[in-house]
Amino acid sequence: QSALTQPASVSGSIGQSITISCSGTRGDIGSSNFVSWYQQSPGKAPKLLIYNVYSRPSGVSPRFSGSKSGRTASLTISGLQTEDEADYYCNSYTDDNTFLFGTGTKVTVL
Amino acid sequence: QVQLVQSGAEMKRPGASLRVSCQTSGYTFTSNYMHWVRQAPGQGLEWMGRIDPKRGDTKYARRFEGRVAFTRSTSLNTFYMDVSRLRSEDTAIYYCARGQLGGRESPLDLWGQGTLLTVST
Repeated sequence: QSALTQPASVSGSIGQSITISCSGTRGDIGSSNFVSWYQQSPGKAPKLLIYNVYSRPSGVSPRFSGSKSGRTASLTISGLQTEDEADYYCNSYTDDNTFLFGTGTKVTVL
Repeated sequence: QVQLVQSGAEMKRPGASLRVSCQTSGYTFTSNYMHWVRQAPGQGLEWMGRIDPKRGDTKYARRFEGRVAFTRSTSLNTFYMDVSRLRSEDTAIYYCARGQLGGRESPLDLWGQGTLLTVST
């Protein structure tokens, strides 16, 4: 199975909103509500940001939101802040009962 | 304190085998699936598979089947990942990651600090 497709990089100014897309197939995002997003800062382990498409774990800022339409999931960061600079990965449960990560997106705050 | 503590960095020759441990604390060991994820240098995350801590049932990503094995010790609250026939492409950071309370499709809500493996002659 190939990785889910994400843009390599997305950038925005402080205070702006950005959206990261995650494109899959009928066998993963297209048939799963178990889509999650992870944030990874340099040298650190990933951190769960969004799960079940749009749910946020406690402690995660409401500036992060998730959505899904068809075979594409999206992560939106509102009110971009410098600490949001990191790599972001989507993940989907698949019809093969496995997990599949996205290719990853580097977010730069201008 | 709820945490996952992994064993230290390793350097191996091609063809050798590796065992990485992931010791859990602060939660009920048998309540959550444990997953393994790796990340090659400068690359993205790759899901390797999972283990059911109650029964020891495993599921591997297709590319790791036959070369990777997950086990656990309920008495030591520790999970293990064994990788055989190492090659240079296995150079990566290996993470254990706990599945959120629920089923095998639950997201990964707690991560170990990672174990760096370098495979080189």
